[in-house]
Amino acid sequence: NAGVTQTPKFRILKIGQSMTLQCAQDMNHNYMYWYRQDPGMGLKLIYYSVGAGITDKGEVPNGYNVSRSTTEDFPLRLELAAPSQTSVYFCASSYSNSPNEKLFFGSGTQLSVL
Amino acid sequence: AQKVTQAQTEISVVEKEDVTLDCVYETRDTTYYLFWYKQPPSGELVFLIRRNSFDEQNEISGRYSWNFQKSTSSFNFTITASQVVDSAVYFCALSEVSTDKLIFGTGTRLQVFP
Repeated sequence: NAGVTQTPKFRILKIGQSMTLQCAQDMNHNYMYWYRQDPGMGLKLIYYSVGAGITDKGEVPNGYNVSRSTTEDFPLRLELAAPSQTSVYFCASSYSNSPNEKLFFGSGTQLSVL
Repeated sequence: AQKVTQAQTEISVVEKEDVTLDCVYETRDTTYYLFWYKQPPSGELVFLIRRNSFDEQNEISGRYSWNFQKSTSSFNFTITASQVVDSAVYFCALSEVSTDKLIFGTGTRLQVFP
């Protein structure tokens, strides 16, 4: 079972560059999420989606954009990379948005902006 | 305000020792859910357990056990006879019904030495 697949695993960007972090899930989950994990901090929600064509901001959306054209894919776009965006990014999905629903996570993308 | 505190940043033990990871939460909700996730060196977070606020029964799963005490707002996780494969970062999380938010603690890094 592939589950949630993220690419790339590592990336180094220069300030001002742009890139897209890819995320795909094969569990037919409607709900997908992007989190960032900073050292010594818990995961912070960047954006989420409740289904194809529907996205919404999370706790820390500034500097990011998302799209959800299909149920499977939920890419995260950084338009003008800044050092503050150096972090580990996790994509996750869930069957529903019920508060008791568990999340399935990808293996993360470690991004450094220099 | 909702909050999850994992005061132990890092714990080191020798194999076969028992270890308890602490989790203290704050919430105004009467209905909420608590989770533990494991993040092994491979990176992806893996769901371990969820507990709703009305179920204070302790749970045991193999070498893992969880102690939920509403009186102290704690949901502690104990690993009995730890093994090297238990080495990971463990996150406690709180999901409130009223806010529909999932809040993660800052994680506890457990290192189990042979």
